[in-house]
Formats: sequence, structure tokens, C-alpha cells
Amino acid sequence: NAGVMQNPRHLVRRRGQEARLRCSPMKGHSHVYWYRQLPEEGLKFMVYLQKENIIDESGMPKERFSAEFPKEGPSILRIQQVVRGDSAAYFCASSKPGHRLAKNIQYFGAGTRLSVL
Amino acid sequence: AQKITQTQPGMFVQEKEAVTLDCTYDTSDQSYGLFWYKQPSSGEMIFLIYQGSYDEQNATEGRYSLNFQKARKSANLVISASQLGDSAMYFCAMREVLSYSGAGSYQLTFGKGTKLSVIP
Repeated sequence: NAGVMQNPRHLVRRRGQEARLRCSPMKGHSHVYWYRQLPEEGLKFMVYLQKENIIDESGMPKERFSAEFPKEGPSILRIQQVVRGDSAAYFCASSKPGHRLAKNIQYFGAGTRLSVL
Repeated sequence: AQKITQTQPGMFVQEKEAVTLDCTYDTSDQSYGLFWYKQPSSGEMIFLIYQGSYDEQNATEGRYSLNFQKARKSANLVISASQLGDSAMYFCAMREVLSYSGAGSYQLTFGKGTKLSVIP
């Protein structure tokens, strides 16, 4: 009964390095969302993906950040040339497709805590 | 203007007592959803309860209930019979339907959270 799996749980990078965060959705879920949580803040939406498609990336910074959800394998959030301000917890959530008006719960993984030195 | 407002940064409650965590929201949509999540110190986000804007009855899930007052745009979480394990951050969130998705999926807008501490 695996939930949303994120790895790694903790990631340390030096400024200028690349960070790759992975997310495997719950079984039967084809929609993936990435959120970022800064200290003392709520989660902020970054991007919404379905298999092989980015549906909404309105919350993604314009540079250095990218996301993908390939046909096979986990969703990847990639941050190039990390800076100290990228230090945060990054959460992935997944949901089933469903009717517009239906209750459609997003289930979250445990997050990846990124620390940039 | 903030879409989700949680005015209580921190709350204390005695074990076995009930507690209400406040949440107000701002939307012009007729159809929307409201959610509460719990984040313990271990960091994961745990779904607690959902309320749809067209639901006539307040949602309940075990010891959790949602006091939904649509005209006031409030969706307060009530936890009955508090337990020590309820100590955590609690986040209220609202669904914004993505008009072009057509498949019922959505992004969530979160409040800043309320830190609940249960006192033995």
C-alpha cells in the first residue's frame, strides 16, 4: 500500500550544483503536483503534470527549474545551479483523474529537504 | 489579498478538550473545495478532511469536523477530544479548478498554518 514516494528525503548541495528530486505517485494516480515550502510558510504550488505533459507551470521560477513526468518512471523536479534561496522543502502530491466537480484528494509524499551550502 | 487566511499562528489546548482552528478564504468561484492537512514535526503532509462548496452538510472524519459557513467564507477545523499526537502544524487549503484541465484536477492554495500544541 505504497503512498507517494519521494527521494531523497534530504539533499545537500553546494551553490552552483544541480539538484534532482524524484517522485513516484500512488498507484493508479496519473496526476502529479510539485509544491515548495519555505520555513514558517505554507506550501506554494509550482507545477502540475500528467504523463508526458506539463499542464500548468505557473508557479515555477522562470530560470533554472524544470519538471518532467515521463511515460515510464518517476516525476523529476530539477534545479540547476542551485542558490541558497532554493533551500526549502519540496513536496510532491498525486491524484487520480476525476470529474471536475468531484472530490479529488491530493496525497502528499514526505518531502525532500534541500539545503544549499 | 490572501486567498486563504489562518489568523492563529499558534494554539494551545488541554488534552481531551476540543479545539477550533480558524480558516477564512476568498474566491469568486461558485464551485470550489476546501481541505485541511496536518504536518507533524516529522514533516509529512497528511490529508484530514474535505468540504465541497456545494456540500449541504458539514464534513466529518472521526474526531475531525469542518464548520463550513459559506456566507462568511469560513471553513474552521474542529478537533474533538484532543490527543498528544494532535500536536502539529495544520494547514487549510482551497482548490482552484484549472479551467483547461477538464479532468477534475487542480492546484491547492495553502494558508500559512496554525501550530497546535496539546498540553497533557
